[in-house]
Amino acid sequence: GIQVEQSPPDLILQEGANSTLRCNFSDSVNNLQWFHQNPWGQLINLFYIPSGTKQNGRLSATTVATERYSLLYISSSQTTDSGVYFCAARETAGNKLTFGGGTRVLVKP
Amino acid sequence: GAVVSQHPSRVICKSGTSVKIECRSLDFQATTMFWYRQFPKQSLMLMATSNEGSKATYEQGVEKDKFLINHASLTLSTLTVTSAHPEDSSFYICSARDLIKPNEQFFGPGTRLTVL
Repeated sequence: GIQVEQSPPDLILQEGANSTLRCNFSDSVNNLQWFHQNPWGQLINLFYIPSGTKQNGRLSATTVATERYSLLYISSSQTTDSGVYFCAARETAGNKLTFGGGTRVLVKP
Repeated sequence: GAVVSQHPSRVICKSGTSVKIECRSLDFQATTMFWYRQFPKQSLMLMATSNEGSKATYEQGVEKDKFLINHASLTLSTLTVTSAHPEDSSFYICSARDLIKPNEQFFGPGTRLTVL
């Protein structure tokens, strides 16, 4: 099955800083999603982005499908951005969404 | 739109009892639902794929007789943890794919199970 790897595993930011989270995947995909898991465990859908670039407020994401990676950009980080960010991918011929190991982000005031 | 609910959100039970968790797609129909388990500070691991009207497909290493899955309608799937033991304590999360827009998946808020 598809392998999904995220980096870095941990990230500490000062409020206001920008950051980039990376997701590498091992096969061609028809689904690539980014999530933010809040302190209560709820997964919040950030982006559905199997290819291309999308932006939503201070967050944006880019997936380069041909090179099998996706990037999540956080600009002007706020303390509420703290939490775990997961990417998940489903290979083109598959039915399962496989999660990466996550990036744990802590934004300090 | 695309809201998935789970009930209960938290359950504590004694060892040996069975616990049922419900997962509902509130504003869309889902032919396929998924059950994940997450241990503390770890990622989500897929347990099984549930298709409406047919038997669930379990991932390797997941005991189908212990984790009973029923997907009786296009909006409801249930996971029953039978004869629960402390090692079954975990965070269980369901997910659903919209019948009309099947590529994106939506996740429920999770159920925290503690087995004493």
